[in-house]
Amino acid sequence: EDQVTQSPEALRLQEGESSSLNCSYTVSGLRGLFWYRQDPGKGPEFLFTLYSAGEEKEKERLKATLTKKESFLHITAPKPEDSATYLCAVQTERGIQGGSEKLVFGKGTKLTVNP
Amino acid sequence: DTGVSQNPRHKITKRGQNVTFRCDPISEHNRLYWYRQTLGQGPEFLTYFQNEAQLEKSRLLSDRFSAERPKGSFSTLEIQRTEQGDSAMYLCASSSRVGVRRTEAFFGQGTRLTVV
Repeated sequence: EDQVTQSPEALRLQEGESSSLNCSYTVSGLRGLFWYRQDPGKGPEFLFTLYSAGEEKEKERLKATLTKKESFLHITAPKPEDSATYLCAVQTERGIQGGSEKLVFGKGTKLTVNP
Repeated sequence: DTGVSQNPRHKITKRGQNVTFRCDPISEHNRLYWYRQTLGQGPEFLTYFQNEAQLEKSRLLSDRFSAERPKGSFSTLEIQRTEQGDSAMYLCASSSRVGVRRTEAFFGQGTRLTVV
């Protein structure tokens, strides 16, 4: 069964204190890995898609990387407005049936950045 | 606003009642998804439409749940005989396909259902 595990569950940082969030996955075949940001009471907001090991994407203070077993979301010099829950999701292959369209999400990492 | 629109934003209903939610996807997107999210969990896939065809359903989608996308545009999700365990945020997302890969899925703000 396809699984996505995110760690840590919660992370508190001081403003400017860089860190990384982890997303490890076990899937039959990876078509894509997605990072989303979710604010309380809101829907997930798309951040990045990664398709193959070694790929990296950057946006402002965020950088996502991908290996064959895990992805990292690196946050450089975070600000209080970066506080949110960060969700990782995978889209998988279904073998001869072709790819599944569903995303399998982890439980998320709740990030709090204190001023 | 050209994002994914969901209505209502909040719904409180009594156990046993039927409820219906609506999702209007981004206009050029032919793919539409429904997910359910409970507190402290990531979204769980419910079902997927390509145009008007429902192509994938989760085992989570019991016979009390039904989804439609009659003209390949907006979609509705109906829950019959609601139970307290149905209380959750119901999220709709849409995407389109470019070449062999699809574009990212954009989510709406969700409908928060509370069953009392």
